[in-house]
Amino acid sequence: EAGVAQSPRYKIIEKRQSVAFWCNPISGHATLYWYQQILGQGPKLLIQFQNNGVVDDSQLPKDRFSAERLKGVDSTLKIQPAKLEDSAVYLCASSSRRPNTGELFFGEGSRLTVL
Amino acid sequence: AQKITQTQPGMFVQEKEAVTLDCTYDTSDQSYGLFWYKQPSSGEMIFLIYQGSYDEQNATEGRYSLNFQKARKSANLVISASQLGDSAMYFCAMRAIQGAQKLVFGQGTRLTINP
Repeated sequence: EAGVAQSPRYKIIEKRQSVAFWCNPISGHATLYWYQQILGQGPKLLIQFQNNGVVDDSQLPKDRFSAERLKGVDSTLKIQPAKLEDSAVYLCASSSRRPNTGELFFGEGSRLTVL
Repeated sequence: AQKITQTQPGMFVQEKEAVTLDCTYDTSDQSYGLFWYKQPSSGEMIFLIYQGSYDEQNATEGRYSLNFQKARKSANLVISASQLGDSAMYFCAMRAIQGAQKLVFGQGTRLTINP
């Protein structure tokens, strides 16, 4: 079974530029998550999708971050314009079932450096 | 709101010794799940073990066991017979069973196994 795929793995941009990250979850997984992990900290949830609907985006900085999940499969996370404090690893994860024991499966992450 | 606290920024252990990583949590939910993830230097998040709040027995997975003390709101991870490959960041996390079920992470503990 293929894991969660993310691209690009690394991205370096200057502040005020835009960037987009792509995620392909495990086949059949209805729930998709984007987490932001700043160096030395635990991951922080940005947005959670159930199929193609948003379940939780309470910590997404909506003035600069946007995310979509087309047809309930792939997802794209966009940052525009980027700030220095957006430098982080962006982790995508998916889970297969609603009940409590469904662990999240994570991709390898996309590391963003904003100069 | 849910909160996870990991008070050990770093731990150093000799190979083959057992190690306990501390985790305390706070939640108003009656039903919840507790997770431990391992994050090697390569960056991926690897699921280790799960404990449900109503599980009567402590969870075990190979060399990993979870010391669950509900009254104290603690969910410590015990790794027996540590190996050099256990060197990594370890994150404790929790999610409610009802509702949006987002996974909330602690700050992490960096474990270093010395030969």
